Amino acid sequence: GAGVSQSPSNKVTEKGKDVELRCDPISGHTALYWYRQSLGQGLEFLIYFQGNSAPDKSGLPSDRFSAERTGGSVSTLTIQRTQQEDSAVYLCASSAPWVDQPQHFGDGTRLSIL
Amino acid sequence: SQQGEEDPQALSIQEGENATMNCSYKTSINNLQWYRQNSGRGLVHLILIRSNEREKHSGRLRVTLDTSKKSSSLLITASRAADTASYFCATDGPHGAGGTSYGKLTFGQGTILTVHP
Repeated sequence: GAGVSQSPSNKVTEKGKDVELRCDPISGHTALYWYRQSLGQGLEFLIYFQGNSAPDKSGLPSDRFSAERTGGSVSTLTIQRTQQEDSAVYLCASSAPWVDQPQHFGDGTRLSIL
Repeated sequence: SQQGEEDPQALSIQEGENATMNCSYKTSINNLQWYRQNSGRGLVHLILIRSNEREKHSGRLRVTLDTSKKSSSLLITASRAADTASYFCATDGPHGAGGTSYGKLTFGQGTILTVHP
């Protein structure tokens, strides 16, 4: 079946612009996660959605970052007023809601801020 | 922030040799997972070991977990050039109510494995 799909695969934008990154999880996976991978910080958790529960936003680095998940499926990560330190690969993953389930990752969006 | 550390940071071996990577973590866990990442791609799940398990096998992979030492190891036997990738351990903490997965993985820094043909 189809895996986790992320778009765009690459995004180059100027400092100060807003960007939207999209994630389409595996059908039936109610849990959805965003992570950021950068050379200096490694893989960092950003935000977690589980069904209709309030998301866990504890990993978002600043209030410029926000995420939505509409209809329990597609998710959008928005970064406002981008800064150069936002340059990274943004990875989305989804999983079944039960305990001890592996996460399935998309190939990520490589974001470059000029 | 990173949960733990992996060593070595880089490992270079010949095809056919075994590769061992180690992971240490700091807090209590419910499970520990290993992932592989090829250059420019997402992470691929390899194996999950629960906190009440000590060893698990999957094909050429063998994972051990020592919760008293808060450490795990991944052994890849009879390595192949196609095994060349970065390998990450990740820990999954306490679960939520009703048995739902908390799922917030905390990753190690990774080991870069190069297998020479």
